[in-house]
Amino acid sequence: DSGVTQTPKHLITATGQRVTLRCSPRSGDLSVYWYQQSLDQGLQFLIQYYNGEERAKGNILERFSAQQFPDLHSELNLSSLELGDSALYFCASSVAGGGSPLHFGNGTRLTVT
Amino acid sequence: TQLLEQSPQFLSIQEGENLTVYCNSSSVFSSLQWYRQEPGEGPVLLVTVVTGGEVKKLKRLTFQFGDARKDSSLHITAAQPGDTGLYLCAGEADSNYQLIWGAGTKLIIKP
Repeated sequence: DSGVTQTPKHLITATGQRVTLRCSPRSGDLSVYWYQQSLDQGLQFLIQYYNGEERAKGNILERFSAQQFPDLHSELNLSSLELGDSALYFCASSVAGGGSPLHFGNGTRLTVT
Repeated sequence: TQLLEQSPQFLSIQEGENLTVYCNSSSVFSSLQWYRQEPGEGPVLLVTVVTGGEVKKLKRLTFQFGDARKDSSLHITAAQPGDTGLYLCAGEADSNYQLIWGAGTKLIIKP
């Protein structure tokens, strides 16, 4: 158990809709990362927060946004969903950010129909 | 832009065989991490290597960081079906300390 909790585990929705994915980091970790993983692909970095502030941005679409709250949990909002957004979305946390080892949740599997 | 290339992309071998997977770059990394991801789960950290030439062993897995800190290898001895998974390497970029990810090696060990 990594200590990182992601909800929901599965999400099925229609094109054009909006969804929110939630992540609770491991206790004591200040940094939260969001990654997208399509079928049999590697991890695509989306965004990182550190102690409530955006720290780094990757290949995140404008239709996607995220935030980290004062209690350090994070949400990833995906809007105007397209079929191609179907993927596994992982949250990871680390103590300090940067190159610190990451602890991953078990992901949210999003299916857009 | 720093890139990490993993090879092979896919490897399917019989139980008991040895194998090596590679993680290569033209750039220098401050450190390099290896993760294993099993189906339906998030990646799990196996090891972090920091010093050029460093070798770390984890049971039947041997990890090596290149002398110039541009590449790394993972060698598995006498592979077991439990070693099946997606192996990912991630390098800490010298410039901004962000993690750069390889695309992964999908490993299948057949009983």
